[in-house]
Amino acid sequence: DAGVIQSPRHEVTEMGQEVTLRCKPISGHDYLFWYRQTMMRGLELLIYFNNNVPIDDSGMPEDRFSAKMPNASFSTLKIQPSEPRDSAVYFCASRGTGESQPQHFGDGTRLSIL
Amino acid sequence: AQSVAQPEDQVNVAEGNPLTVKCTYSVSGNPYLFWYVQYPNRGLQFLLKYITGDNLVKGSYGFEAEFNKSQTSFHLKKPSALVSDSALYFCAVTAAGNKLTFGGGTRVLVKP
Repeated sequence: DAGVIQSPRHEVTEMGQEVTLRCKPISGHDYLFWYRQTMMRGLELLIYFNNNVPIDDSGMPEDRFSAKMPNASFSTLKIQPSEPRDSAVYFCASRGTGESQPQHFGDGTRLSIL
Repeated sequence: AQSVAQPEDQVNVAEGNPLTVKCTYSVSGNPYLFWYVQYPNRGLQFLLKYITGDNLVKGSYGFEAEFNKSQTSFHLKKPSALVSDSALYFCAVTAAGNKLTFGGGTRVLVKP
């Protein structure tokens, strides 16, 4: 079975550029989560969706960050404009219905802003 | 508010010896507890969970965890560690919500 698929796996870009990260959740999962992982702050939840609707975006650090889920099989996380402090590994995870269900993570996008 | 503490940044163990990774939590209500493992350049992989019932939970790759309500702990254990178990381990908790709170992670190094 295909897991959560993220693209690109690595992204290097210059400060000020727009960055778009992509995620395809596991088919049939109705929850999708975006996380950011850094050495300093660990794993942080940025936003999550249920049935394609954003439910909680309180973890989004600034207005420069935005996320969309236009359909059940695709989500994007966009940073515009990007800054060096946005450098991190960004993970997407999906989950089925029920809080007892585990989240399944993609392999992440390693983002470096120069 | 919910929180998770993993008191050890790193655990070193010899191959073949028992492995324990500690986790304590704080939530309001009944907790759902999870353990994940992360290998280099990979996402978090689900190992096991406690929802209700038997306090000893068995999971993937020979791992198990013991839920202790009075001590609010959920320690991960493996009777005989392998070099391939070297990785970063995360404990996570949720209660009556969809947001998982993760601990800071514990790096496990298993030496041959």
